[in-house]
Amino acid sequence: DAKTTQPTSMDCAEGRAANLPCNHSTISGNEYVYWYRQIHSQGPQYIIHGLKNNETNEMASLIITEDRKSSTLILPHATLRDTAVYYCIVMYSTLTFGKGTMLLVSP
Amino acid sequence: ETGVTQSPTHLIKTRGQQVTLRCSSQSGHNTVSWYQQALGQGPQFIFQYYREEENGRGNFPPRFSGLQFPNYSSELNVNALELDDSALYLCASSLAQRFGGSYNEQFFGPGTRLTVL
Repeated sequence: DAKTTQPTSMDCAEGRAANLPCNHSTISGNEYVYWYRQIHSQGPQYIIHGLKNNETNEMASLIITEDRKSSTLILPHATLRDTAVYYCIVMYSTLTFGKGTMLLVSP
Repeated sequence: ETGVTQSPTHLIKTRGQQVTLRCSSQSGHNTVSWYQQALGQGPQFIFQYYREEENGRGNFPPRFSGLQFPNYSSELNVNALELDDSALYLCASSLAQRFGGSYNEQFFGPGTRLTVL
């Protein structure tokens, strides 16, 4: 599975959009991009995934570049409860977690 | 529907002992995956069971073994415990069609915190 690179931490003001970037330059054609998050002391929670097209659900939007070498997870209106570690994962068959991005949403 | 549950919540063992951790899948799910999460790290894939058979394994030694039962619940067994086995052990269930095929999101349990002294 391809490796991903994410910033270690990011800050966001409550109510603003949080844009979390992820680089996956070695992604292959059949690998999906997944995003999970882990709130402190809980198990990871699925957010969204995509292959080529941009995706949106009730939690977030996923923007994948045309060359698929990077993506951005967008939380349109961040709340304090969105404070968590966000993992970008590129996979075909199993989840390989990196260290993720610690997103801190402040009042 | 009930979510993924794990037991026990916390466990303390000594080096060299054996431990069994348990996981109940979300209703209707046929696949269980186990992960080890050391402090400050992301979860690391241990293995996956699909319809009672091991269906993929990460870079963990044979002393890490598992079982999946007909009701799709699962156990993780670790023999000859080492200090570095201290971690949060996470179980995740999903409804998978086949290994490497169409993928469905994994639902994680709250984990078992294992401390090896």
